[in-house]
Amino acid sequence: QVQLQESGPGLVKPSETLSLTCTVSRGSVSSGSYHWSWIRQPPGKGLEWIGYIYYSGSTNYNPSLKSRVTLSVDTSKNQFSLKVNSVTAADTAVYYCARYSSSFNWFDPWGQGTLVIVSS
Amino acid sequence: QTVVTQEPSLTVSPGGTVTLTCASTPGAVTSGFYPNWFQQKPGQAPRALIYSTSNTHSWTPARFSGSLLGGKAALTLSGVQPEDEADYYCLLYYGGAWVFGGGTKLTVL
Repeated sequence: QVQLQESGPGLVKPSETLSLTCTVSRGSVSSGSYHWSWIRQPPGKGLEWIGYIYYSGSTNYNPSLKSRVTLSVDTSKNQFSLKVNSVTAADTAVYYCARYSSSFNWFDPWGQGTLVIVSS
Repeated sequence: QTVVTQEPSLTVSPGGTVTLTCASTPGAVTSGFYPNWFQQKPGQAPRALIYSTSNTHSWTPARFSGSLLGGKAALTLSGVQPEDEADYYCLLYYGGAWVFGGGTKLTVL
């Protein structure tokens, strides 16, 4: 079945840009049935939906993060990516990528998550 | 300001039944919010349990069920097992954006 794997730097300096990539295996980001999502979880806290992207490039963002977040998709590499600019310590979190079915309104599967620490 | 509220913690005895709820401020939760429920154990990624209010995934144990109850989304565990001890999160749709509840820590004791 489809598997997702996050990758990227585990440490980012304040005010810089956090960049992560999610690689999709045993499936295709070009599938018209799904959107590709990012969700984060600060240490010891709850989950926060960041946004998702369709293979065409169409996006939906969390309004509270929209000004700092950019999602993109690379169909040739079967990957999608997240950028968060002007990061602060509040952006320290485990970042998960997940597949979203717009037909059935479910989120599955999820990647294992990657911890990003914002610190100088 | 949209807020999704869950019970911070609940305790249930093995074999018992417990209902977790998910409320939306303002207003009642309806099927149009497509409620999802996730289980998360320490150190693991969340696992999907319920989607669109009451639909289960193929891997969802039969003791888990979803519903709407008194204007809230609800997750009921019947015949709780020790391995059900975990954090549970609901997720609601607000016309283009999704919002997670704060999570419920379920203790089986």
